[in-house]
Amino acid sequence: DTAVSQTPKYLVTQMGNDKSIKCEQNLGHDTMYWYKQDSKKFLKIMFSYNNKELIINETVPNRFSPKSPDKAHLNLHINSLELGDSAVYFCASSPGAGGMNTGELFFGEGSRLTVL
Amino acid sequence: GENVEQHPSTLSVQEGDSAVIKCTYSDSASNYFPWYKQELGKRPQLIIDIRSNVGEKKDQRIAVTLNKTAKHFSLHITETQPEDSAVYFCAASWDTGFQKLVFGTGTRLLVSP
Repeated sequence: DTAVSQTPKYLVTQMGNDKSIKCEQNLGHDTMYWYKQDSKKFLKIMFSYNNKELIINETVPNRFSPKSPDKAHLNLHINSLELGDSAVYFCASSPGAGGMNTGELFFGEGSRLTVL
Repeated sequence: GENVEQHPSTLSVQEGDSAVIKCTYSDSASNYFPWYKQELGKRPQLIIDIRSNVGEKKDQRIAVTLNKTAKHFSLHITETQPEDSAVYFCAASWDTGFQKLVFGTGTRLLVSP
């Protein structure tokens, strides 16, 4: 069973289009994240949700809109795609605050977005 | 906010040699320092971490050291093997609950047989 799964794994689209990436975790974690990894491999946090509530929003353009329908799912919708949005987007989860939390982030396999 | 610098950006060693990757952080409030390994085309995975109340931690061939005063922490890999080849990321955060991990820029380690 995959702990953190993302779909699609690959996405190729034209500038100006709107696309979504979905993420689901079956670890029972409270907190989920979106990270962006660019072509230079820089990993940067975009958003974090804890129990469906947004807790981190890192100066990401408002073309990016995350949605968490429940604590096991965190989706990312991107409007009006631009060339610079090309990257690998990683979903991740962690247990959240609490004594059992080791701090480890569990990443999904990534979704490679290519904007032409 | 936190800023993490990582050096070197690439590191080539012969199998059996040791490898050391160094990071510095800016926010003295940071208290959690993990290291992630990312193999080509794969997801980042935690390999070791250290908290600010500890100066050193070891797990088989890998160890991490932390100098809080200097705001430095390092990853040490001994007896490197070709399967250690990957990109390694250091990171820092001030809270292990709601993680706002700030990652370093990554080090590409190549271990030649």
